[in-house]
Amino acid sequence: DQQVKQNSPSLSVQEGRISILNCDYTNSMFDYFLWYKKYPAEGPTFLISISSIKDKNEDGRFTVFLNKSAKHLSLHIVPSQPGDSAVYFCAASAGVQGAQKLVFGQGTRLTINP
Amino acid sequence: NAGVTQTPKFRVLKTGQSMTLLCAQDMNHEYMYWYRQDPGMGLRLIHYSVGEGTTAKGEVPDGYNVSRLKKQNFLLGLESAAPSQTSVYFCASGKSGGVYNEQFFGPGTRLTVL
Repeated sequence: DQQVKQNSPSLSVQEGRISILNCDYTNSMFDYFLWYKKYPAEGPTFLISISSIKDKNEDGRFTVFLNKSAKHLSLHIVPSQPGDSAVYFCAASAGVQGAQKLVFGQGTRLTINP
Repeated sequence: NAGVTQTPKFRVLKTGQSMTLLCAQDMNHEYMYWYRQDPGMGLRLIHYSVGEGTTAKGEVPDGYNVSRLKKQNFLLGLESAAPSQTSVYFCASGKSGGVYNEQFFGPGTRLTVL
């Protein structure tokens, strides 16, 4: 049973437009959510995160929205740039203290077209 | 600062052979993690460690053993490799203390078991 799901394997967006990546989760015990970005032949790199006590977190061109009642979060990238082309993973964690045992979604491959 | 490094980058094994994957971090992080990533799936936690000399099971620990003899190193062992262990393996490290610290990932080891 997959607790974190990214239902869109791929997304294609024109440069300069908004990219919206979606993620759904089933475990109500998750209280922290993260987005990681991954280029080919590299490890994932942290992008942005949000605590369950918030509904929005913004960092430059990246904004994450959390809808707890729907168990849904989304990552908005505005404006999209060619360097944003990568695989994006949504991840979730439960518990405040100690090691973070992250549960990842399957990933969404974002392609930004010039 | 090299961050998180992994050795080797690639390896091909025959069924039944054994090997050890090495992860090293130079950020003085307390927590270290081993994940595997399979096609169409997100990263799944194999084992993790909250400090030198301690290890714990993650989501998919069967067939793997780990050791953390030194704070900066986290070893993942396969005693008798199986084709189902063909995967890309990522190591990560993270700080302790505070709340929800990000994990820093290595570049990965691509393992093929024939």
